[in-house]
Amino acid sequence: DVKVTQSSRYLVKRTGEKVFLECVQDMDHENMFWYRQDPGLGLRLIYFSYDVKMKEKGDIPEGYSVSREKKERFSLILESASTNQTSMYLCASTQGTDYGYTFGSGTRLTVV
Amino acid sequence: QKEVEQNSGPLSVPEGAIASLNCTYSDRGSQSFFWYRQYSGKSPELIMSIYSNGDKEDGRFTAQLNKASQYVSLLIRDSQPSDSATYLCAVRNSGAGSYQLTFGKGTKLSVIP
Repeated sequence: DVKVTQSSRYLVKRTGEKVFLECVQDMDHENMFWYRQDPGLGLRLIYFSYDVKMKEKGDIPEGYSVSREKKERFSLILESASTNQTSMYLCASTQGTDYGYTFGSGTRLTVV
Repeated sequence: QKEVEQNSGPLSVPEGAIASLNCTYSDRGSQSFFWYRQYSGKSPELIMSIYSNGDKEDGRFTAQLNKASQYVSLLIRDSQPSDSATYLCAVRNSGAGSYQLTFGKGTKLSVIP
């Protein structure tokens, strides 16, 4: 089975901290995505990447950046964490247009 | 802006009944459609995919697609309490950005023992 691993299940960070969320997939997928999920708002796309060193903004990129130095790893960076970035963060990958996403287990981030 | 609409629920059905979950989408060129199940506090899990008009069955689950009406549904037969979850409909974007899925906000299903 495809495995998408997110390094932390729960994180608590302070306002203003720089936060790194790591995601690794083990099936050589080219396409990777970062979403946040909030009650009543559903899944919102932050950033995505179709290839190494390539990144595209999603619907809500403000306050975030990403890094994809290796094909299997896609990192989400909160440059200066704020309380409104408290959320569940989900990483996903897919091998192509006829396939759905495989999600990681998620990171629940609380910014205090 | 591509949109996927679902009734948020909650949808309550008795154990053993058929649960019917519905989804409409705005992107007329979409060709791939997916249903995800998400338990509370967990990440979404892919349970069905459908690409052609008609029905696709997998165990107790049946996905139905009508591209002319831009409508996708998921039927769960013999519903079990373990089916209680939020079900997300996802639609593959057509054209530019075709690796992307647009998700509905989900329908919460509660199966009553």
